[in-house]
This record gives sequence, C-alpha cells and structure tokens, in this order.
Amino acid sequence: QKEVEQDPGPLSVPEGAIVSLNCTYSNSAFQYFMWYRQYSRKGPELLMYTYSSGNKEDGRFTAQVDKSSKYISLFIRDSQPSDSATYLCAMSETGGFKTIFGAGTRLFVKA
Amino acid sequence: EAGVTQFPSHSVIEKGQTVTLRCDPISGHDNLYWYRRVMGKEIKFLLHFVKESKQDESGMPNNRFLAERTGGTYSTLKVQPAELEDSGVYFCASQFGGNTIYFGEGSWLTVV
Repeated sequence: QKEVEQDPGPLSVPEGAIVSLNCTYSNSAFQYFMWYRQYSRKGPELLMYTYSSGNKEDGRFTAQVDKSSKYISLFIRDSQPSDSATYLCAMSETGGFKTIFGAGTRLFVKA
Repeated sequence: EAGVTQFPSHSVIEKGQTVTLRCDPISGHDNLYWYRRVMGKEIKFLLHFVKESKQDESGMPNNRFLAERTGGTYSTLKVQPAELEDSGVYFCASQFGGNTIYFGEGSWLTVV
C-alpha cells in the first residue's frame, strides 16, 4: 500500500467551477501537509502549507486536513484556465524534510 | 533573485554510461534535496543535504548513485553506470531553515 494515495485524473471542469482535489494517507506520523502545483515541464511550486488538522484559505484556494480520517483536500473556487496543471499533495513528518508525494492529479479547466 | 538551477535540462545517454547532474540552489539556502520521478511513479525523495553534510540519504536507490555537495553550495548527482530504469526527471530543491522549499525545473534523463 502506498503511503499517499491520489487519483491521477485527469479532471476536466468548465471555467468558474469549484474544483475538489483530495488525497488519503496511511502514516499517522505525518504532521505537515502541502499542495504543490506543477505546470508541464516545470518543477513543483508550493501552493498551500498546513500544519496538523484544520483549514487554511489563500485567495481562491482552501486546504483542509482531517487527521482523524487521514484525508486532505484542496478546493479551488472560480477555477480559471490558468489553473490547468498537475496538483500534487505532499506530506512529511518533520516540516518539509523527506517529503512524500502523491501521484498528482492532472486538472484541465476549459474556457 | 535566481531560483534553483539545474543542469543539464535534458540528457540522453546509453546504458552503462555515466551522467552527472548539477544543482545550484538559491543562494544562502542550507538545505538541499534531490528527488526523482521515474515514468508512471510518484516523485520520490533521494537525499537531503544540510550545507555539505548528508542529513538523510535513505532514498538513494543503490550504490550507482553518488551525491556530493562540496563546500555546501552546489550539488552534483552522479549515476554510474546508468541503467534503463534510471530514466526519469531528477529534481533538486533548496530551502532556508524550515521555510518554503523551492524546486528547480528538473533534469530529464533518458537512458537508452
């Protein structure tokens, strides 16, 4: 069993839709939860960072962590074609060191 | 400010040859990481330097891989001899303290 499970998609939505991306994990020692965005042929770029459980909002993006269910989510409101990318969930026990990545979900936002 | 720079961006080598990938982290970043993504798999941790010291190399797949960070600045990752399964994209990332980790654009390696 993988430590982090993420549906690779692809996920295709119309512009303006609310996008929901999620990951499940098995390691209860994970304390730090990240979402990265990766455009084609580029490196991952940190989008959201959450410590332990709870919600965090940044503009159109909201990250949720439910440690009791070992489930994390990323919501994108009013999605734009420029949001089309691969979204990677990532987790670590120790604040970024040895980060474990999900497979990434490919998102397409159609104009 | 320059980001994390990796060289070469693309490399095609024959099985059995040697390849050396280079990473220049963001200036002043003491933490440097190597990750790789092979076809169809997740991005996997390879190792972590703090300055010139290897903090964690538990992700290095075997002794054909050698990473160095002399002087605590740039880092190299050598694969010798390269095998077909080493094909993929190798990412370097750097970090100052416990702050945001910045990734480079990756070095795409194809072993034929």
